[in-house]
Amino acid sequence: DQQVKQNSPSLSVQEGRISILNCDYTNSMFDYFLWYKKYPAEGPTFLISISSIKDKNEDGRFTVFLNKSAKHLSLHIVPSQPGDSAVYFCAASDGTASKLTFGTGTRLQVTL
Amino acid sequence: EPEVTQTPSHQVTQMGQEVILRCVPISNHLYFYWYRQILGQKVEFLVSFYNNEISEKSEIFDDQFSVERPDGSNFTLKIRSTKLEDSAMYFCASKLPSQETQYFGPGTRLLVL
Repeated sequence: DQQVKQNSPSLSVQEGRISILNCDYTNSMFDYFLWYKKYPAEGPTFLISISSIKDKNEDGRFTVFLNKSAKHLSLHIVPSQPGDSAVYFCAASDGTASKLTFGTGTRLQVTL
Repeated sequence: EPEVTQTPSHQVTQMGQEVILRCVPISNHLYFYWYRQILGQKVEFLVSFYNNEISEKSEIFDDQFSVERPDGSNFTLKIRSTKLEDSAMYFCASKLPSQETQYFGPGTRLLVL
């Protein structure tokens, strides 16, 4: 039951360009969405989040866009840097105390 | 900056043995979680814990699993009789009551032989 999907397993982007990572969800009860970055053998590191009452949230180089009607969100990283190379997970929750449901992740590689 | 810590970082055990994975959540956080990630798969929810009781658990969290907050700082996951398929990275997470964001520890890599 894939309630959160990241259809691109990998993405390669040149340094300085924009990286766009996509995520789709099926559960209309989800009301909070998060992006985590993960390096091998480490825990997920929180990047940015968005509540369902907003359609955009920005933090430095990272912007998350939410399209509720399409049940789609995206993470934009601009400009991309080599240190951004990692696996990015989209996650969603349906309440304050609720578990996070994760997508399968997208491996981003930022090349020189 | 405060962070979630987990010990041990690696654990190797024989099938059928008991293991206890330990976590120290961020000090003023009140919601605690365990997740796991089997190699090559996505991060999966196991259990959430609040006010000294389980608030939600997944179907993975069967009778072989238990959680405990033995004191004011530690949060543990016990697997009573490990199976080969329990081999995974286990992540602890915690959060404030007023926020949605969960903060994760570095994980414990469990290998069951």
